[in-house]
Amino acid sequence: GENVEQHPSTLSVQEGDSAVIKCTYSDSASNYFPWYKQELGKRPQLIIDIRSNVGEKKDQRIAVTLNKTAKHFSLHITETQPEDSAVYFCAASIGLDQAGTALIFGKGTTLSVSS
Amino acid sequence: NAGVTQTPKFQVLKTGQSMTLQCAQDMNHEYMSWYRQDPGMGLRLIHYSVGAGITDQGEVPNGYNVSRSTTEDFPLRLLSAAPSQTSVYFCASSYSSGTGSYEQYFGPGTRLTVT
Repeated sequence: GENVEQHPSTLSVQEGDSAVIKCTYSDSASNYFPWYKQELGKRPQLIIDIRSNVGEKKDQRIAVTLNKTAKHFSLHITETQPEDSAVYFCAASIGLDQAGTALIFGKGTTLSVSS
Repeated sequence: NAGVTQTPKFQVLKTGQSMTLQCAQDMNHEYMSWYRQDPGMGLRLIHYSVGAGITDQGEVPNGYNVSRSTTEDFPLRLLSAAPSQTSVYFCASSYSSGTGSYEQYFGPGTRLTVT
């Protein structure tokens, strides 16, 4: 089955710096790769996602890149702010025709942004 | 729309007891899934469904049963609770938007403790 590895498990940056989180996946049939942000005690919230036919996607300070050949994708947050502090999860769709049916998640990265 | 609802919010069970976690969505989404979240483990897929009458196993299905008799409801049954099933359980729903995004809409979660 699908396996998703996520690194690093913790990341501390100064406000204004950039943060990069990297993930690798094992199932070449996966074709949808979302990123979720989870604050303490709350449900995960989608922040950005990418399909396998796209190499890069950007939304304001957040960008995701995908290298399908190498089976890895990354989250880039620029100009970090204290409110970016949270746990971030990458995920890959299970290898079915219906992308987004269900997801396999990485173990998460705890991002701390200090001011 | 209420989105995805889960009941109960909190539950304490004794080892060997059975119970059903309820999940309902009012968005007419095709896909529904159950995840459990444990510290340091991310979210792990338990079972998922691509439509009424169709379910399949995820990463960690043992000890859990599901059924999907309607589009709206996707209950998760614990047959004989064990301390290892102490976790936060999230239900999610999604659909094929046609725009390339398959956002999983998460419920608020059920915190289950098995003593």
